[in-house]
Formats: sequence, C-alpha cells, structure tokens
Amino acid sequence: NAGVTQTPKFRILKIGQSMTLQCTQDMNHNYMYWYRQDPGMGLKLIYYSVGAGITDKGEVPNGYNVSRSTTEDFPLRLELAAPSQTSVYFCASSYPDPFYNEQFFGPGTRLTVL
Amino acid sequence: AQTVTQSQPEMSVQEAETVTLSCTYDTSESDYYLFWYKQPPSRQMILVIRQEAYKQQNATENRFSVNFQKAAKSFSLKISDSQLGDAAMYFCAYGGSQGNLIFGKGTKLSVKP
Repeated sequence: NAGVTQTPKFRILKIGQSMTLQCTQDMNHNYMYWYRQDPGMGLKLIYYSVGAGITDKGEVPNGYNVSRSTTEDFPLRLELAAPSQTSVYFCASSYPDPFYNEQFFGPGTRLTVL
Repeated sequence: AQTVTQSQPEMSVQEAETVTLSCTYDTSESDYYLFWYKQPPSRQMILVIRQEAYKQQNATENRFSVNFQKAAKSFSLKISDSQLGDAAMYFCAYGGSQGNLIFGKGTKLSVKP
C-alpha cells in the first residue's frame, strides 16, 4: 500500500491565484482530513470528511473548499490565494471508527503565496 | 472546546539518557484518546504512542512510554536510552469526537552525541 499520497510537494502561488492540493489514500479509510501547519505551530484542522459526499468544516476553513466524490480522494481547493495561506498542508486518513482516532498522514505540501 | 498545551518549546538530552516531554490538555469528555506524534525534518508525521483514556495502564512502545494522569489531565512522554534518530519535533494530540486530532504547538527535541 502507498498509504496517503499528496501532490504537489512544493508550490509557489501569486496572490489571487487558485490551485488544488491533491490527496489520495489506498487504505479504504472512510475518514479523511486536511490540516495546515504554520511555522512553529501544531497542525490545525481545515476540513474533514466522514465518507464520500460528506464534508464538514474544521477550525480554520476560511479560504478553502473541499469535495469528496470517492472514498480514495479528498482534494483541497484554494480559490484566491493570500499570503496568510502560506503553510504546510497535510492530508490524513483514519479507520472507520472515528473514536479510534489513529491517523495516517501524507508527506505534506509546502505552499508559499507571494 | 478541547485544548492541548505543550509548555516546553525546546528540550535537549544527551545520547543514551532519558528525557520527558510534558503535555496537558483540557476536555469535558470522559472517553478519548491521546497521542504523541514525531515530526522529523522530513515533515512526515509519525505516530509514536497512543493512550486510551479509559485504560489506567500507561502505554509503552519499546523505548517510549507515557505517564497518563487523567485527573490532572496530564500526558507526558518519556524517551529512554535516547538516540540521535530521536531528534525531531514532538507533538501531543487529543483525539476529538469527530475523529480529528487537536495538536499542541510541539516540543523540539535535540539529542547531543
């Protein structure tokens, strides 16, 4: 199994540009998450999904959108990039039981907005 | 809302010695999970150890063990026989009711040869 994969690994955007961060998992996990990690900080939840077609906001959803059309994929969309969105983005997935909580993380995408 | 606090931004340990990283949390729930994740310079988040709140016995994984004090809402990580490869950021995390993780700000651990 490849686990959780993310593309791209690095990206530089200009203010106002848009992009989609891709996330795919091959473990048949129902639950998927997007986090952002700012310098010197822990990870904060942006959006999460409990299954295909179901998404919900996390702690810091402003400026982002998500969709979940399949179990495997959970893309994160930035519509109008702003410098405040410069961060490292992590996608994660977990077992069907949310209470179990153990999450498997992708390698991250480092995004810089200039 | 749940919160996680790591009061040690940086820690240092001599190779082969023992170090303890502190974590406190706040929650009104009675059943939950707590985690320690390791993040080396590669950025990969690696699960180190997990503790179930309803279990009184402290979790252990080889050289890693926790001191879980539920009443005090404390969850510290002890690393024994520290190795150079243990150098990394360590994050304490609380398992939320939606399956999400709530992270502390992290502790940067340095290991001196």
